[in-house]
Amino acid sequence: GNSVTQMEGPVTLSEEAFLTINCTYTATGYPSLFWYVQYPGEGLQLLLKATKADDKGSNKGFEATYRKETTSFHLEKGSVQVSDSAVYFCALTGVGSGNTGKLIFGQGTTLQVKP
Amino acid sequence: DAGVIQSPRHEVTEMGQEVTLRCKPISGHNSLFWYRQTMMRGLELLIYFNNNVPIDDSGMPEDRFSAKMPNASFSTLKIQPSEPRDSAVYFCASRTGTGDQETQYFGPGTRLLVL
Repeated sequence: GNSVTQMEGPVTLSEEAFLTINCTYTATGYPSLFWYVQYPGEGLQLLLKATKADDKGSNKGFEATYRKETTSFHLEKGSVQVSDSAVYFCALTGVGSGNTGKLIFGQGTTLQVKP
Repeated sequence: DAGVIQSPRHEVTEMGQEVTLRCKPISGHNSLFWYRQTMMRGLELLIYFNNNVPIDDSGMPEDRFSAKMPNASFSTLKIQPSEPRDSAVYFCASRTGTGDQETQYFGPGTRLLVL
């Protein structure tokens, strides 16, 4: 079936450090891939997405590249800020019978950035 | 656009009481999703609607949960009777379509506490 696996958190970094949050997926066909961010006490917000292989999604300094050969969609940022502290969710659109239209989420990775 | 609107934002109730959560999707969106988020189970899709019709309710935990979408601008999720294990954050999300329009937009959530 379709599934998403993220690296376990929490990830704790100092301000201006480089960030990588790993995400790998299992899916039949060609799903679209997403990163959502959830700030404390809020709902999820779309951070970036990629709809086909080798696409790069980017937003607010974050980037992720759709790698079909490694079934990965790792999130990166060159210099994190305290305001980036949040929970990050990797997700894919379901493909195949019974899955169309669904978002399949990973378990979320908490990022804590210290000044 | 006001985004997805949920009410109430917080609900505290006693075991056995009926709870009704409300959602107004973004105007023009034709798909609506209800999710539940807990520390133990993460984000779970409960049910989703396309054009007001329930498409997949396999995530609804049990008969105590029911969801309706009487029109394109309103949906409810009802729990009757409520139990302490129903305590969670419930999110509503909406989406305009498929393909490149498949991004889901989340509401701020309803924080439910059942005592």
